[in-house]
Amino acid sequence: GENVEQHPSTLSVQEGDSAVIKCTYSDSASNYFPWYKQELGKRPQLIIDIRSNVGEKKDQRIAVTLNKTAKHFSLHITETQPEDSAVYFCAAFDSGGGADGLTFGKGTHLIIQP
Amino acid sequence: DSGVTQTPKHLITATGQRVTLRCSPRSGDLSVYWYQQSLDQGLQFLIQYYNGEERAKGNILERFSAQQFPDLHSELNLSSLELGDSALYFCASSGGGRAYEQYFGPGTRLTVT
Repeated sequence: GENVEQHPSTLSVQEGDSAVIKCTYSDSASNYFPWYKQELGKRPQLIIDIRSNVGEKKDQRIAVTLNKTAKHFSLHITETQPEDSAVYFCAAFDSGGGADGLTFGKGTHLIIQP
Repeated sequence: DSGVTQTPKHLITATGQRVTLRCSPRSGDLSVYWYQQSLDQGLQFLIQYYNGEERAKGNILERFSAQQFPDLHSELNLSSLELGDSALYFCASSGGGRAYEQYFGPGTRLTVT
């Protein structure tokens, strides 16, 4: 089955700086890669996603890049703000495999220092 | 608000008991996924239903089962509960215009004492 590794487990950055979170996956059949943000005690919230036919996608201060050859994808947050503090999860999904659930990384606790 | 609802919000029960968690997907979504979130295991996929039929199983214990009803709401049944079953249980739904995207409900926090 799929295995997703996520690094770092904790990331502390100064407000206004950029943050980068990296994930690798093992199953080359995976073709959909969402990122979720989870605040303490709340539900995971989908913030951005990318499909395997695209190398990069941006949405305001958030961008995701995908390298299919190396099987890794990254989340980039620019101009970080205090409200960006949360746990971020990457995930991988094979939509062509019949059906299955998301395989998640272990999460990155992002701390924005004022 | 994702449009996915879950009840109850909190559940406290004793070892050996059985509980039922309920999930209503977003309007128009046909797929319901169940996930378990714990500190040691992270977020793990349990089971998926699509339009009333089981589609995929993940790391779901034999003591756990689920079903999806004709109105598309789903229930996750957990029996012979153990202390280690204490976790957050989320359901997610997908299957609207962009079928890949999964939207999570607020979760049910289960505490087994």
